[in-house]
Order: sequence, then C-alpha cells, then structure tokens
Amino acid sequence: QITLKESGPTLVKPTQTLTLTCTFSGFSLSTSGVGVGWIRQPPGKALEWLALIYWDDDKRYSPSLKSRLTITKDTSKNQVVLTMTNMDPVDTATYYCAHRWVEDIFDYWGQGTLVTVSS
Amino acid sequence: DIQLTQSPSFLSASVGDRVTITCRASQGISSYLAWYQQKPGKAPKLLIYAASTLQSGVPSRFSGSGSGTEFTLTISSLQPEDFATYYCQQLNSYPFTFGPGTKVDIK
Repeated sequence: QITLKESGPTLVKPTQTLTLTCTFSGFSLSTSGVGVGWIRQPPGKALEWLALIYWDDDKRYSPSLKSRLTITKDTSKNQVVLTMTNMDPVDTATYYCAHRWVEDIFDYWGQGTLVTVSS
Repeated sequence: DIQLTQSPSFLSASVGDRVTITCRASQGISSYLAWYQQKPGKAPKLLIYAASTLQSGVPSRFSGSGSGTEFTLTISSLQPEDFATYYCQQLNSYPFTFGPGTKVDIK
C-alpha cells in the first residue's frame, strides 16, 4: 500500500526559505520508473505543478519557479525534500506530494500541508 | 508552457444527470491528459489517464475521450458523491500543467 505524507512548517515569514519533507512508504525511489512530485494549491484556487524527481535523480521544475525550487531525494529514508526560497504571501497554499506513475500521472497523493506566509 | 482551459468553470446539475466537462490545450498533446476529482479539504483523486483509460477502482460512469487539443470528461449518471471539482492535467511536456478546474454543484 502506497502512502505519502508531507511535513514542515505551517507558518513562514516573507523572504524565508521553506523546507518540506515528503515521507512515503509502499514503494522505493530506487526502482526504475518511480518518481515523486510536488503540487500546490492556494486557498480556493487551482492546482499548480511544482517539481518532480525521478528514480534516476532526474529533476524537473516549473520554469516560473525554477530559480527558487530545489528537489532532492533520500532513498534510504524514503523521503523527498522540496525547498523554496524567498517565500512571499502569494506562496500561501496547501502543498502536496504525490507518487509518479506511468506517463507522469500522480496516482497516490499525500494529505497535503497548509503553509501560510505571513509576518 | 502548455495552457489548459476548462469549460464550464461551474456546473449545476441534479443526481442522475449526464455531465460533460471539456478541457482544451493551447497546443496538441496527443493523448497525454489526465483527469482528477477533488473534494473540499481532500487531495485530488486520479480518475482517468491517457485521455480515456479509467483508473482502477473508478466507477464506470466516468469516461474520457479526445486527443490533440480537445478532451472531455463525461459522468453518465451523476451520483451524490460526484459533487466535486474536476481538473485536467497535461502530461505532454514540462511543466505538467493543470486546468483551472470545473466545480460540479448540486442543483
């Protein structure tokens, strides 16, 4: 059974760096074809694709946020970490991590974690 | 980036109605399209991928069609648990953008 769970701060100040951790079980990020992605959703708004890391350490980012994002994996801990620098109130959102399946679709999602950016 | 539009953005329907949601891509994406359902306070749930392949466990009243730039999600007979917001996502090229969503509400 695949599960994912996001963790990290619920409140960050403007200009700070956000670090979110996705801890997963039921699969290994060392298995060919596997990936973990991050998606966010501002309150009342649509989903936004942020980043994706593959089993072979290939990393893909949203071009609009690429300069601020870093995605890494720790295969031994079954974790994927997303860092976002220079946080702004417009980055207030629920952040989800998800399991990448065939053709890059997300078939399993974490519950999401709400991050508020405010001074 | 490939832009996705969805129509309508809001839909009011009754139980038993046939519902169709359209997703249009700003450029051709072959069949690299997925549909998700999201209920308030919950993570999205994968319904359909490769434009028309039903995800395991998803009721057969959901179906998808289309290729290129125009796609549809159809619910053949709306059930009470189907009231939610539906998003399309293109998987043709990075970034794998989502549509703006279609909220299906109770009439």
